[in-house]
Amino acid sequence: SQQGEEDPQALSIQEGENATMNCSYKTSINNLQWYRQNSGRGLVHLILIRSNEREKHSGRLRVTLDTSKKSSSLLITASRAADTASYFCVPPFSGGYNKLIFGAGTRLAVHP
Amino acid sequence: DTGVSQDPRHKITKRGQNVTFRCDPISEHNRLYWYRQTLGQGPEFLTYFQNEAQLEKSRLLSDRFSAERPKGSFSTLEIQRTEQGDSAMYLCASSFGQGEEDTQYFGPGTRLTVL
Repeated sequence: SQQGEEDPQALSIQEGENATMNCSYKTSINNLQWYRQNSGRGLVHLILIRSNEREKHSGRLRVTLDTSKKSSSLLITASRAADTASYFCVPPFSGGYNKLIFGAGTRLAVHP
Repeated sequence: DTGVSQDPRHKITKRGQNVTFRCDPISEHNRLYWYRQTLGQGPEFLTYFQNEAQLEKSRLLSDRFSAERPKGSFSTLEIQRTEQGDSAMYLCASSFGQGEEDTQYFGPGTRLTVL
């Protein structure tokens, strides 16, 4: 099994700015998921990107995946205070059963 | 709301006491997971059920921890003889089981404080 490693550990921006979070992983994957956790809605799944996709959009979210570099990025455009949360990238568990292995995440603070 | 629910949301107990948490998954989900999360860290996997069968337990789960999922519906997580190190958020998640693209849906968690 492997976990994603998010970078930076913490990010502080103003509302309206873009936020970029990076993720690295160690072994080949078929997909990568991003989750968000905040005090209001708890831990929720944001987006899944497959290994044959280089980029995927969902609303103000843009996720990229570079399998040759074993890295992914999550871009949040025009950030809002409600985007304040921890963000986790999660590779699938390679041994079955799909348990999720979380890293420490990126803590994003968006200031009004 | 048909999401994952957990009860109680908060639990304060004294060291040495037993506590039990309940998780009600999304009704059509056959997979259920328990995770534990401490401050500043991501959730750590504890155990996994497919229907009523407990198929995997983390080495984090000491003998003081036990989990059940009778009839493949709700699940309980019991901690016996609690220790201060057990203080954490306990998260439950459920999923439908779609291979590697399976999405887990998390409950709000039970925050345990052991005094």
